[in-house]
Amino acid sequence: QSALTQPASVSGSPGQSITISCTGTSGDVGGYNYVSWYQQHPGKAPKLLIYGVGKRPSGVSDRFSGSKSGITASLTISGLQAEDEADYYCSSHTSSSTWVFGGGTRLTVL
Amino acid sequence: HVQMQESGPGLVKPSQTLSLTCTVSGDSISRGSYYWTWIRQPAGKGLEWIGRVYTSGRTFYNPSLKSQVSISLDTSENQFSLDLVSVTAADTAIYFCARAELGTTSFDSWGQGLLVTVSP
Repeated sequence: QSALTQPASVSGSPGQSITISCTGTSGDVGGYNYVSWYQQHPGKAPKLLIYGVGKRPSGVSDRFSGSKSGITASLTISGLQAEDEADYYCSSHTSSSTWVFGGGTRLTVL
Repeated sequence: HVQMQESGPGLVKPSQTLSLTCTVSGDSISRGSYYWTWIRQPAGKGLEWIGRVYTSGRTFYNPSLKSQVSISLDTSENQFSLDLVSVTAADTAIYFCARAELGTTSFDSWGQGLLVTVSP
């Protein structure tokens, strides 16, 4: 199985909005509403931000939102804050009952 | 509140078997609501899903690692384990255990991670 495709890096200024894309295939992102997004700060374990394409776990800021169109999912962060600077990963369940991650996107808050 | 903790050797020699255990507290791995999974991350690189085990003992593995990997449950100790055979330097990584909810297939709880280095 191939990793989902994410941009290597994105950047934005405080208060702005950014979007990170995650492109897969019809066998993963395009075939199921099982896309999730994770935030990882250096030296820490990933943290679940979004599940089921666009749902937020309790305690996650509503500045984080997710969507999907076809084989591409997206994570949008609005009102960028300094603490949002981190690595972001998408993940999808697959038709083979496995999981696949994206390569990760480094977000820099300018 | 569930907590997960990886344990095992931090150094393994090439061609040997890497064996890790994840101890779960605050939840029972016998409860059939979750998949219990292993994920790894080489230094400076992305996440790689290794495999998962369900309460029934049924397993699924990453096709690229399938010949090397075995994941099992120990319900009496509320633990699950990873064995990775014939390791090479390419298996050097931080290894995470995580819990994935059946209904959402998202990883909602993670261990802190354990660095395992494969080196003579």
